[in-house]
Amino acid sequence: TQLLEQSPQFLSIQEGENLTVYCNSSSVFSSLQWYRQEPGEGPVLLVTVVTGGEVKKLKRLTFQFGDARKDSSLHITAAQPGDTGLYLCAASRSNDYKLSFGAGTTVTVRA
Amino acid sequence: DSGVTQTPKHLITATGQRVTLRCSPRSGDLSVYWYQQSLDQGLQFLIQYYNGEERAKGNILERFSAQQFPDLHSELNLSSLELGDSALYFCASSVAVGRTGELFFGEGSRLTVL
Repeated sequence: TQLLEQSPQFLSIQEGENLTVYCNSSSVFSSLQWYRQEPGEGPVLLVTVVTGGEVKKLKRLTFQFGDARKDSSLHITAAQPGDTGLYLCAASRSNDYKLSFGAGTTVTVRA
Repeated sequence: DSGVTQTPKHLITATGQRVTLRCSPRSGDLSVYWYQQSLDQGLQFLIQYYNGEERAKGNILERFSAQQFPDLHSELNLSSLELGDSALYFCASSVAVGRTGELFFGEGSRLTVL
């Protein structure tokens, strides 16, 4: 079983629409990261959230860490074709240095 | 460009063979991670090294082994290859071993086992 469950698996929207991607777990994390991966490339870090309830904004992207530090969401406002990619959440348990990734959400933004 | 270099980019081989994937981390990074990415399994953690020592291990098969050398480059050895080993293998590096540090990924080595 996956440590991190991401939903939805696939998301296809029109340019200008908003979208939200979720990352859930039954485990508590000391921190959680979001990465984006484009075809033919490795994942690239978008943000790290550390504090329960924390909200971070990166231009049109808003990241939230759940109060209990078990879940997170990524919201994109007015999506653009350049936002197309595989969005991955990643986290480590408090007693483990291993960084595990969710299965990812494939986002396609149509022009 | 993440600064992490992986070679080869593509590799095609036959079942039963052995291959070695190479990774040069970003300058100054002491930690190296190996991940396997396939369509059905997603990005799976294999193993992590810090300054030459193994620090964490994932579900790495016994047919696979890795090491980090004194110059900090790392190699992942895959032996007795099976069809199911076909995947993208990523190397990532980070400055330290902490959980909040950013991982910088290479472009991956695509392995095809025929």
